[in-house]
Amino acid sequence: AQKVTQAQTEISVVEKEDVTLDCVYETRDTTYYLFWYKQPPSGELVFLIRRNSFDEQNEISGRYSWNFQKSTSSFNFTITASQVVDSAVYFCALSVDGGSNYKLTFGKGTLLTVNP
Amino acid sequence: EAGVAQSPRYKIIEKRQSVAFWCNPISGHATLYWYQQILGQGPKLLIQFQNNGVVDDSQLPKDRFSAERLKGVDSTLKIQPAKLEDSAVYLCASSLRLSGALDTQYFGPGTRLTVL
Repeated sequence: AQKVTQAQTEISVVEKEDVTLDCVYETRDTTYYLFWYKQPPSGELVFLIRRNSFDEQNEISGRYSWNFQKSTSSFNFTITASQVVDSAVYFCALSVDGGSNYKLTFGKGTLLTVNP
Repeated sequence: EAGVAQSPRYKIIEKRQSVAFWCNPISGHATLYWYQQILGQGPKLLIQFQNNGVVDDSQLPKDRFSAERLKGVDSTLKIQPAKLEDSAVYLCASSLRLSGALDTQYFGPGTRLTVL
């Protein structure tokens, strides 16, 4: 069975601070995929990144960066110089290679509030 | 490219009433998903379609929930009769390919259901 743990329920920062959202996952599969989604107050889940289990290279996209470490089963997400528009719930998710039948297992999410 | 469309955005009903939600996926996307997101939790998959066939409905409460995707495009999710614990946001997502865990799921804005 797959499990995703986001230990931080809520984080509050002041604009321009850096913030890291933690994600720890559990799976016995050797091939799996990790995702981050953003859910703003409007409710729509916005895809941010996908990473497969064979690619541990960290990724940077603008102010966003992701640190994938298989040794600790973690896939952490850092926002540099946070902005008010970054305020949202962020979900980490995991899927395994089950052919045509797979599903995303989500964590419970981290509510990030960026104050001006 | 238009995103995943859902309607209605909000619905309030009394318990034991029936309700239906509609989803139109991104054009050309073969796979469609319905998720239930209870407040404070991550989304949970209810049912997955590939074209008009069901791939996974293991977490769908079949005594009261039903879903169909007759022409392999849009889909409806029905609850009959509704219970208080069905209050949640119902999210529809779609992905491009027929199979494979590599696919990214794109989500609609959701329907917020309140059962009184």
